[in-house]
Amino acid sequence: EVQLVESGGGLVQPGGSLRLSCAASGFTFSSYDMHWVRQATGKGLEWVSAIGTAGDTYYPGSVKGRFTISRENAKNSLYLQMNSLRAGDTAVYYCARDARSGGTGPLDYWGQGTLVTVSS
Amino acid sequence: QLVLTQSPSASASLGASVKLTCTLSSGHSSYAIAWHQQQPEKGPRYLMKLNSDGSHSKGDGIPDRFSGSSSGAERYLTISSLQSEDEADYYCQTWGTGIRVVFGGGTKLTVL
Repeated sequence: EVQLVESGGGLVQPGGSLRLSCAASGFTFSSYDMHWVRQATGKGLEWVSAIGTAGDTYYPGSVKGRFTISRENAKNSLYLQMNSLRAGDTAVYYCARDARSGGTGPLDYWGQGTLVTVSS
Repeated sequence: QLVLTQSPSASASLGASVKLTCTLSSGHSSYAIAWHQQQPEKGPRYLMKLNSDGSHSKGDGIPDRFSGSSSGAERYLTISSLQSEDEADYYCQTWGTGIRVVFGGGTKLTVL
């Protein structure tokens, strides 16, 4: 059974940093692209970052230069380092698996999410 | 620009059918999409990948009540024999080189 379990969320002050983790199990983690997606309260889903199997990374303009996605295949783990956090980054952060290996496709498994609150 | 448009809300009666729509922006009518369901207070759940020709492949454990179809730039999710647990937000998602991942704004489905 595929499982994705996020952790590391919490309350952080504006300008601060936080590192999220996602523990993957039930599949060959190293063979899949992985993503982070966030959702502010009452709002829709927003793609945050992606990492390919070769370690190539992708970001939308809203987080580029502030967020860094990484992976550690030996630990079946995905990470999101978030720096210079703003109130607008407050959201539940989900990790998700990309169904397509070697490119972007549908996100076929999701975690339960971890809440990040940026506030003074 | 690759954009997905969804109606904000829909409603249908228990036991009835409902058809939700996701519209691809101009010039992108050949794109495949995915449908995701998000029940209240839960993470999203992948329902299916839907191609431009209407063929679709469903995620693990998705009931036969969920089906997809396509017409031009429109992608549809049909839910038949509506149950109370189908009351949820439904998002479409697509992808592209350089664009990576795009979501529609979501449709909130109310089961009456």
